[in-house]
Amino acid sequence: DGGITQSPKYLFRKEGQNVTLSCEQNLNHDAMYWYRQDPGQGLRLIYYSQIVNDFQKGDIAEGYSVSREKKESFPLTVTSAQKNPTAFYLCASKVGSGNIQYFGAGTRLSVL
Amino acid sequence: AQSVTQLDSQVPVFEEAPVELRCNYSSSVSVYLFWYVQYPNQGLQLLLKYLSGSTLVKGINGFEAEFNKSQTSFHLRKPSVHISDTAEYFCAVSGIGGAQKLVFGQGTRLTINP
Repeated sequence: DGGITQSPKYLFRKEGQNVTLSCEQNLNHDAMYWYRQDPGQGLRLIYYSQIVNDFQKGDIAEGYSVSREKKESFPLTVTSAQKNPTAFYLCASKVGSGNIQYFGAGTRLSVL
Repeated sequence: AQSVTQLDSQVPVFEEAPVELRCNYSSSVSVYLFWYVQYPNQGLQLLLKYLSGSTLVKGINGFEAEFNKSQTSFHLRKPSVHISDTAEYFCAVSGIGGAQKLVFGQGTRLTINP
C-alpha cells in the first residue's frame, strides 16, 4: 500500500525540548515537503527537499531543522528555538513536473 | 511569486443545494492550480488540478472547477452537495516547473446543513 506515513499522530513537547516528527514515503518520489498549519492561516512551507542530501528553507524555517539522508525519509525537528510550536504539521511528497503534491495524515504538536 | 485568496472563510449550505467556493490567484507567470480537501484531523486530499488544456476540470466526488485566466480565478463548484462534503477546502497555485513551490489559500470551511 503506497503512501506517506507520518508519526506520531499526537506529540507533546516540554519547554526547552527538541522533538522530531517522522515522515516516510514509499512512493519513490524525489521531492518532499514540510508544512505547518494553523487555524485560519492555511499551510505554510517550513522546509523542502528536491533530492537526497539537499534541502532548502521555506517561508518559516526559523526554529526547525531537517535532514534527507534517504529518499524515503524526511524527518523534521522542532527545536527549543521555536517559541510557538503548537500546530498541525503536514508532510508531502511530489512526483514529476506537474507539481502535484500528496500529503500524509499529519502530526498534531502541543506544548505541555 | 504567486499568491492565493479564498474569498470566503466559511460557506454554509443546505444538503442537495449547489455550492461555489471562490478562489482568485495572482502570478506574473503561467500557473498550475489545485483544489485540496481536508477532513477533520486528516491530511489534504487532492480534489482536482489544472495543468493545461481544457479550462473546465473535473475532479473526485462530483466537484469541478473552471480556470479563468482573464479573471485570474479558479472557482470550485458542485451541483448538489451531501453531508459528507463537510470539510475544509484549500485552493493552491504554483508556477510552472518542477522546482516551483505550492502556495495555499487560507481555506474555506464548507458546512452542509440537513
